[in-house]
Amino acid sequence: SQKIEQNSEALNIQEGKTATLTCNYTNYSPAYLQWYRQDPGRGPVFLLLIRENEKEKRKERLKVTFDTTLKQSLFHITASQPADSATYLCALPLGGGTGRRALTFGSGTRLQVQP
Amino acid sequence: EPEVTQTPSHQVTQMGQEVILRCVPISNHLYFYWYRQILGQKVEFLVSFYNNEISEKSEIFDDQFSVERPDGSNFTLKIRSTKLEDSAMYFCASSEKTQYFGPGTRLLVL
Repeated sequence: SQKIEQNSEALNIQEGKTATLTCNYTNYSPAYLQWYRQDPGRGPVFLLLIRENEKEKRKERLKVTFDTTLKQSLFHITASQPADSATYLCALPLGGGTGRRALTFGSGTRLQVQP
Repeated sequence: EPEVTQTPSHQVTQMGQEVILRCVPISNHLYFYWYRQILGQKVEFLVSFYNNEISEKSEIFDDQFSVERPDGSNFTLKIRSTKLEDSAMYFCASSEKTQYFGPGTRLLVL
């Protein structure tokens, strides 16, 4: 069955450092992958989408890579700030196909940025 | 900036009662979704809706659940006879390309 794995342990880093979060998936060939941010008690907020034919995508301090051979995406936050503290979710389209498909989410990795 | 809104923010109900959760999607979006998140667990897909009909549903979305778009703005999720295990945060989302989530309704079934 399709699985998405994110490190369930919290990631603690110092302000100003780069945070790197990992998303691995199995039994899956997704057309794209998305990263969301979720704060406690709130809905997920879309951050970035990367397609299967893209190796890397950037948006301000965020960078996502997508390795379809390794079946892995890395999510980087450079120059991290305490306000970046949140849970970050990896999401893939159900069934892997293109189009506006429902999403299946990983369990998320909680990031804590210490001032 | 347009956003998805949901009401109520919290709902407490007795087991066996019916609940209706309401959502107002972003106005030019055509695709609508319901997800749920049990406390401490991952966000799970329930159902997607397009062109006034269900386009996909998960195995969680059984006969106890139904969705409706009663007018041009609202999108509702009905749970006919709530169970204890329905206690969760319920998120509505809408999309053109990427999905925008609402703030959620926290449902507690006693």
